[in-house]
Amino acid sequence: QQQVKQSPQSLIVQKGGISIINCAYENTAFDYFPWYQQFPGKGPALLIAIRPDVSEKKEGRFTISFNKSAKQFSLHIMDSQPGDSATYFCAGGFTGGGNKLTFGTGTQLKVEL
Amino acid sequence: EAEVAQSPRYKITEKSQAVAFWCDPISGHATLYWYRQILGQGPELLVQFQDESVVDDSQLPKDRFSAERLKGVDSTLKIQPAELGDSAMYLCASSLGQVNTGELFFGEGSRLTVL
Repeated sequence: QQQVKQSPQSLIVQKGGISIINCAYENTAFDYFPWYQQFPGKGPALLIAIRPDVSEKKEGRFTISFNKSAKQFSLHIMDSQPGDSATYFCAGGFTGGGNKLTFGTGTQLKVEL
Repeated sequence: EAEVAQSPRYKITEKSQAVAFWCDPISGHATLYWYRQILGQGPELLVQFQDESVVDDSQLPKDRFSAERLKGVDSTLKIQPAELGDSAMYLCASSLGQVNTGELFFGEGSRLTVL
């Protein structure tokens, strides 16, 4: 089974707060866990990604925390800004054989002033 | 910056009609994907090409959907006949393929409404 379960479905955060989105996966063969950001009317764009041999990856205000034993990973957005308001998708994938990704159901984030 | 081009951006059709979507991937990207994104859900892979060959079409409803990438560059996804349940965003993505970073580059999508 290749499902990726994502929560919450929607999230409202105050400007400057921390946004946290969680994902759980079933397929232990996944070797690549990206987060994609999608604005209305646009295609998803890669935000940050991690491989299972690393427990945390930080890029600016965005951090992925990865727990291999629990088969869970999460996205933390520090100092959330109104411009971060978008839909976020986690995914699990196999980089061998052409980067096949299985996406979660998405989290709609709204950052309020 | 290189982008994945898709057309049309929007398509409204009646059920039982035929529709086609076109995608031009980033130059040099060997792998091309068609994803379907139903409103409020994540993208789901329909078909994956490596150059001109189909790598995975296990989720493509082959009784009505077809996809081709004849010269290993641009690609067409066809639906015939369209059904109400086909209303969705059809996303094309590309990646480097064999020499990969894991990143997929998505186009802006083609939004299909079937009446």
